[in-house]
Amino acid sequence: EVKLVESGGGLVQPGGSLRLSCAASGFTFSSYWMTWVRQAPGKGLEWVANIKEDGSKKYYVDSVKGRFTISRDNAKNSLYLQMNSLRAEDTAVYYCARDSGSLDWGQGTLVTVSS
Amino acid sequence: EIVLTQSPEFQSVTPKEKVTITCRASQSIGSSLHWYQQKPDQSPKVLIKYASQSISGVPSRFSGSGSGTDFTLTINSLEAEDAATYYCHQSSSFPYSFGQGTKLEIK
Repeated sequence: EVKLVESGGGLVQPGGSLRLSCAASGFTFSSYWMTWVRQAPGKGLEWVANIKEDGSKKYYVDSVKGRFTISRDNAKNSLYLQMNSLRAEDTAVYYCARDSGSLDWGQGTLVTVSS
Repeated sequence: EIVLTQSPEFQSVTPKEKVTITCRASQSIGSSLHWYQQKPDQSPKVLIKYASQSISGVPSRFSGSGSGTDFTLTINSLEAEDAATYYCHQSSSFPYSFGQGTKLEIK
């Protein structure tokens, strides 16, 4: 069974930083692209970033380019999202997902950017 | 960038009714279109992958069709537990994108 557990969310001031983690189990982590998707309160889903199996390719939505960095550690079966220069509009539940074309989702972690 | 447009955005339906949700892509995406169900305070769950492929454990009343730019999610004989928001998602090219969602209310 695919299991994805996100952590690292919380309250941060505008301009601050946060690092999200996602612990994966139940599948061969190093064989899959991985994805971050976010959902602002009461809003729809927004794709944030993807990373290739070996970390050699990364893609981002325009609104986070230069501020967010996706990375992975295949030895630890873990996915990360380093978020810098956070803005109020980054407030959302952040989901980690396994990408096999369609997505298998974790339970999400809430990030709140507010002073 | 590929834009996905879902319709309707909201629908109020009665149990046992047949429901059709459409998703239109701004350019051809082949069959790289997936459907998800999200219930309140839960993470999304995949219902259909690659336009029409069924998912193990998903009730057979959910089906998908389409290719290119026009796709459909059909729910036959709606049940009360199907009250949720439904999203389409394209994985044809980056940036990935989602439709804006269709909220189903059960009367």
